[in-house]
Amino acid sequence: DADVTQTPRNRITKTGKRIMLECSQTKGHDRMYWYRQDPGLGLRLIYYSFDVKDINKGEISDGYSVSRQAQAKFSLSLESAIPNQTALYFCATSDPLAPYNEQFFGPGTRLTVL
Amino acid sequence: AQKVTQAQTEISVVEKEDVTLDCVYETRDTTYYLFWYKQPPSGELVFLIRRNSFDEQNEISGRYSWNFQKSTSSFNFTITASQVVDSAVYFCALRSGQGAQKLVFGQGTRLTINP
Repeated sequence: DADVTQTPRNRITKTGKRIMLECSQTKGHDRMYWYRQDPGLGLRLIYYSFDVKDINKGEISDGYSVSRQAQAKFSLSLESAIPNQTALYFCATSDPLAPYNEQFFGPGTRLTVL
Repeated sequence: AQKVTQAQTEISVVEKEDVTLDCVYETRDTTYYLFWYKQPPSGELVFLIRRNSFDEQNEISGRYSWNFQKSTSSFNFTITASQVVDSAVYFCALRSGQGAQKLVFGQGTRLTINP
């Protein structure tokens, strides 16, 4: 079984709809992240969480919100989706006690906003 | 500010050729970490290697090798005897500063290995 899972894997929605992307992990990591990937731009950080009570904005948080329901779950919401939020979204986790604190990514959610 | 530049947007080679993917980074911190990730056509991100700023040893793993040079702020990735399965987008990433959480990614290099 995958250590970091994301649901749904693909989603097509319409402008103005509320969308929630979910991430679950079995790695036992405290830190979780949401990124979006756009062609030619690499990945950019939306939000990150150090633990259940600690949520931080990344570089492109406008239009998004998150919820850390438990150590293992971190959800990303688009309150009112717009077409320029069409992208590939990745969840990641890391262990701050690991020497490099490298991040491990889920399989991604491809979101299309029409 | 931290920045990662992968100047090669796309590379196409014939199978069995060697290929090097360039990565140049910018940071003012003395402690930083560098990573390479592979994104195959299926879309997931696969962690390949990590390096910290105090370890300039080059590394070889099978057909993959990495050359870290602080003097030129580069962390290049070479695939020897490339195979079709190496076709993917490759990302270089930087985490800079002792307490930093943010990974700064390069734009990615799309590598196509033709049979």
